[in-house]
Amino acid sequence: GQSLEQPSEVTAVEGAIVQINCTYQTSGFYGLSWYQQHDGGAPTFLSYNGLDGLEETGRFSSFLSRSDSYGYLLLQELQMKDSASYFCAVYPGGYQKVTFGIGTKLQVIP
Amino acid sequence: NAGVTQTPKFRILKIGQSMTLQCTQDMNHNYMYWYRQDPGMGLKLIYYSVGAGITDKGEVPNGYNVSRSTTEDFPLRLELAAPSQTSVYFCASSWRDRGRSDYGYTFGSGTRLTVV
Repeated sequence: GQSLEQPSEVTAVEGAIVQINCTYQTSGFYGLSWYQQHDGGAPTFLSYNGLDGLEETGRFSSFLSRSDSYGYLLLQELQMKDSASYFCAVYPGGYQKVTFGIGTKLQVIP
Repeated sequence: NAGVTQTPKFRILKIGQSMTLQCTQDMNHNYMYWYRQDPGMGLKLIYYSVGAGITDKGEVPNGYNVSRSTTEDFPLRLELAAPSQTSVYFCASSWRDRGRSDYGYTFGSGTRLTVV
């Protein structure tokens, strides 16, 4: 099976940088992705890492270390609108059945 | 481009009633999924489909049924609703083949279901 661990809550100041970690244990691993979900909204896809290293998309970056079974999402120049829940998700391979973490609720304060 | 459309957005059911949650996508995605999300929790896979006519169970299939007669539609049926089925239901789709896969799922806006 698969299990993922991420912090339940993080608070950060507007304009700052915040890192949300995700560790995973899986019977198979193909890649790690991240989703953002605002309260009352649907999850939206942010990034995918299939290889070790850093992927950058604007203010958001995502990192993967396969050897450490670890990844993180880095949000720079935080804005109030970044207040949301962030989910990491593992692709175990084979049929595309993703396992989601329970999510990290990010609160951005002035 | 509508993406993934779910109806209804809200519904209140009485215990023992049945209903169908509708899901339609216009992106020609071959894979479709149904998830439920309980408060403060992650997404649990109910059922998924890898193409028209093919469906399979996810983590929490009990009390639900699905069908996939077309590429576009993937309805979720609740029979004999129970309070434990109170949740937010999300439909999602993605594309996968041997040459290329989109690793990001596209989600619908969700159906908020309360069983009383």
